[in-house]
Amino acid sequence: GEDVEQSLFLSVREGDSSVINCTYTDSSSTYLYWYKQEPGAGLQLLTYIFSNMDMKQDQRLTVLLNKKDKHLSLRIADTQTGDSAIYFCAERGAAGNKLTFGGGTRVLVKP
Amino acid sequence: GAGVSQSPSNKVTEKGKDVELRCDPISGHTALYWYRQSLGQGLEFLIYFQGNSAPDKSGLPSDRFSAERTGGSVSTLTIQRTQQEDSAVYLCASSRSTGELFFGEGSRLTVL
Repeated sequence: GEDVEQSLFLSVREGDSSVINCTYTDSSSTYLYWYKQEPGAGLQLLTYIFSNMDMKQDQRLTVLLNKKDKHLSLRIADTQTGDSAIYFCAERGAAGNKLTFGGGTRVLVKP
Repeated sequence: GAGVSQSPSNKVTEKGKDVELRCDPISGHTALYWYRQSLGQGLEFLIYFQGNSAPDKSGLPSDRFSAERTGGSVSTLTIQRTQQEDSAVYLCASSRSTGELFFGEGSRLTVL
């Protein structure tokens, strides 16, 4: 079945850029997503990219997609303490009926 | 409503009891999903409803788990004879057909 993998933890200094990486196995993925989860809260959609794109930029967020390597990344420019959270990548397969999530990357922003 | 609403937000129960978790999706969203998030883990897909189609139950971990969606809107996830390993946050999400998922804040279940 589909599998999505992420590194567990990332520590970054305030003001630096953060890069969170994700790999997936489903070659028929149609959309790929980044969600943010703050403590005690549900998941908030940050951004998404269609599988026929290789880059999407949205303010401080840049998503890069390497479809050949099935690698997705999220870059957060000028990381702030409010960016400390767990970030999940997710993919939607061609069947379109569910999202498969990675295990989440906990990002800690140090002042 | 403005967002996906889940209740209860917290539920503590004794092993062997049945629990019901409720999800009220965003008005007009035809798709509804249940996921489970265990402590420190990612999201595990449980079940998906889309309009009047038969639900995709492929993620339900055992026959103690069931879900229904009445009138194409509110959904209830029922766990019978709860076990300690059922302790988790149960997240509901809704979307327009195959669009973006919007999540509720979850129901935290603790089985003693």
